[in-house]
Amino acid sequence: AQKVTQAQTEISVVEKEDVTLDCVYETRDTTYYLFWYKQPPSGELVFLIRRNSFDEQNEISGRYSWNFQKSTSSFNFTITASQVVDSAVYFCALSDYNTDKLIFGTGTRLQVFP
Amino acid sequence: DGGITQSPKYLFRKEGQNVTLSCEQNLNHDAMYWYRQDPGQGLRLIYYSQIVNDFQKGDIAEGYSVSREKKESFPLTVTSAQKNPTAFYLCASSRGMASPDYEQYFGPGTRLTVT
Repeated sequence: AQKVTQAQTEISVVEKEDVTLDCVYETRDTTYYLFWYKQPPSGELVFLIRRNSFDEQNEISGRYSWNFQKSTSSFNFTITASQVVDSAVYFCALSDYNTDKLIFGTGTRLQVFP
Repeated sequence: DGGITQSPKYLFRKEGQNVTLSCEQNLNHDAMYWYRQDPGQGLRLIYYSQIVNDFQKGDIAEGYSVSREKKESFPLTVTSAQKNPTAFYLCASSRGMASPDYEQYFGPGTRLTVT
C-alpha cells in the first residue's frame, strides 16, 4: 500500500536557524510524483514543489531545498535561515499515477520564533 | 484571477441536517477533488472526479455525496449519515496526472461545525 510518513509532528526553531523536514514514502509504482505543500494559518494549501520519480536531482529555490533519494525512499525539505513567515504546517504527498490521487502525510508543524 | 473558490468559509449546522459545500474553479481543469482535514491526521480524500459527469469514491466516502454536472463545479453534500462531520474541508483541482506540470491547486477551505 502507498504511504507517506512525516515522523516529526512539530518542530520549533529560532529565526535564522536551518531546519529539515523529513518525508519517507512507500510505493510499488515505478512512476510517481512527490510533492511538498505549505499550509499557513489561513488554511489554504500552497504548492511548493513537484518531483518526478525519474528525476533524483536535488533542487534549490531561494532558501528552500529538497533532497530526493530513491534508495531510502525519502524526500526531505530544508529551509535555510528560517524566518517567522515560514511558520506553517508542511505536508509531503505522493501521487498514485493510475488513479490521479494524492496520498498525504500527517504534516509537520513548524514554528519559527523571533 | 484564476483560482478555486469555496463558500462559505465557516458553516454551522445542526445534527441530522444535510449540508452542501460549494467548490468552483475557473482554471479549466478537468479533475477535481474533495479532502477532509482533521487535527493531526493530514488530508484524506473523500471523492474525486476526473471528468464531467463522472466521479469516484476516495478513502472516506461514506456519508458524503457529490455531483459533477459542470466542469467548473464540484459540490459536496455532507449527509446526516456522516457520523463525525465537523472538520475542515478542502477542494482541489488539477489538469490530471498525465499533464507534464501536474499539481493540485487548493481552495481556501470550508470549516464545518455540526452540533
